[in-house]
Amino acid sequence: AQSVTQLDSHVSVSEGTPVLLRCNYSSSYSPSLFWYVQHPNKGLQLLLKYTSAATLVKGINGFEAEFKKSETSFHLTKPSAHMSDAAEYFCVVSDSYWGKLQFGAGTQVVVTP
Amino acid sequence: DAGVIQSPRHEVTEMGQEVTLRCKPISGHDYLFWYRQTMMRGLELLIYFNNNVPIDDSGMPEDRFSAKMPNASFSTLKIQPSEPRDSAVYFCASRSSQGIEAFFGQGTRLTVV
Repeated sequence: AQSVTQLDSHVSVSEGTPVLLRCNYSSSYSPSLFWYVQHPNKGLQLLLKYTSAATLVKGINGFEAEFKKSETSFHLTKPSAHMSDAAEYFCVVSDSYWGKLQFGAGTQVVVTP
Repeated sequence: DAGVIQSPRHEVTEMGQEVTLRCKPISGHDYLFWYRQTMMRGLELLIYFNNNVPIDDSGMPEDRFSAKMPNASFSTLKIQPSEPRDSAVYFCASRSSQGIEAFFGQGTRLTVV
């Protein structure tokens, strides 16, 4: 069985300051992990993916995430938040065979000027 | 490629009516997933197909829900009869067997009154 826990339901940051979104996963085997972003009334867009290659993964729009097996974590960061980063972010774990995605509950990010 | 295409984008229907949601996956993708997003339950996997064959429909909430994939370029999710608690955003996603990430459509926002 696999699952993800997003540790913060809401994060508020000032524009230009760092963003940290926390995610812990549980998986009985080596997982594939993803971060997706959903802007209001939009679909889900892939930010980045981890597939057991490099533990530090770079994604689009300046986001990156670090896979830490010892901590079972896959936290998402961005050094400097932009107003356009306001959205909901989902940490996702996938079973390696069928590609079934298990979504976390989501973290709502608010960016203030 | 135009991405995953869902129709309609919005659907408002009366309780008891039949509702059909449509999805065209990305050409060449052989996995197709249907998800439902609600405030209460987040994103839930309803059913998924591989090479047009349903693999797991354990997420389908009731017999009122059915899904088909008659060919590689088209899938439907049908609710008959619809109920107000079916109101949600329904997403379709597709994936290639050569990759691990799923690509999502824009979703269909269903409102049952």
